[in-house]
Amino acid sequence: GAGVSQSPSNKVTEKGKDVELRCDPISGHTALYWYRQRLGQGLEFLIYFQGNSAPDKSGLPSDRFSAERTGESVSTLTIQRTQQEDSAVYLCASSLVPASTDTQYFGPGTRLTVL
Amino acid sequence: AQSVTQPDIHITVSEGASLELRCNYSYGATPYLFWYVQSPGQGLQLLLKYFSGDTLVQGIKGFEAEFKRSQSSFNLRKPSVHWSDAAEYFCAVGGRYSTLTFGKGTMLLVSP
Repeated sequence: GAGVSQSPSNKVTEKGKDVELRCDPISGHTALYWYRQRLGQGLEFLIYFQGNSAPDKSGLPSDRFSAERTGESVSTLTIQRTQQEDSAVYLCASSLVPASTDTQYFGPGTRLTVL
Repeated sequence: AQSVTQPDIHITVSEGASLELRCNYSYGATPYLFWYVQSPGQGLQLLLKYFSGDTLVQGIKGFEAEFKRSQSSFNLRKPSVHWSDAAEYFCAVGGRYSTLTFGKGTMLLVSP
């Protein structure tokens, strides 16, 4: 596709359930980022994939959060045993090369609501 | 640790008036600085970025930003605001191979 896509666009779940969020980056982009945006807050970095290297997981808030990426394609962010504080918009971005000098292209996000 | 401060949570500007959104950063080395815009229901879009060279950077949609090292600032400006500029604006800082740190954003409201 022309841009980064994310699915679902909205997800409502009950506390304690697991959720999976999907990101399709721009074709050919080697770097992929996940961010969390809580209401009234800036973007909070979660995890960063760079090609075939080990991902930078330094932003993951707890061991309930994990992410996978197959090669340079789709990524899935999984939140286990969701809590109400996990409610946020989860944004995915990709860039051609893994460096701050390269523009990150963002998807429209997945709005997660945990009841 | 790197950080970004956007002191204004909301700003209201009349259509046709000039705009300045403030951004202050903290970074231990040469910063790479960015402004992104997020329109309702849309993903973030890059407005402009600064890496080195001329401290006045031109971006899309008529925006510009000026890097002032002595003030650790990277303020965004536009000489004449249009109603379509109403959105949330995020400043971000990063290093050459580091991830970006974003500010909390400034919501721009444009009055007729």
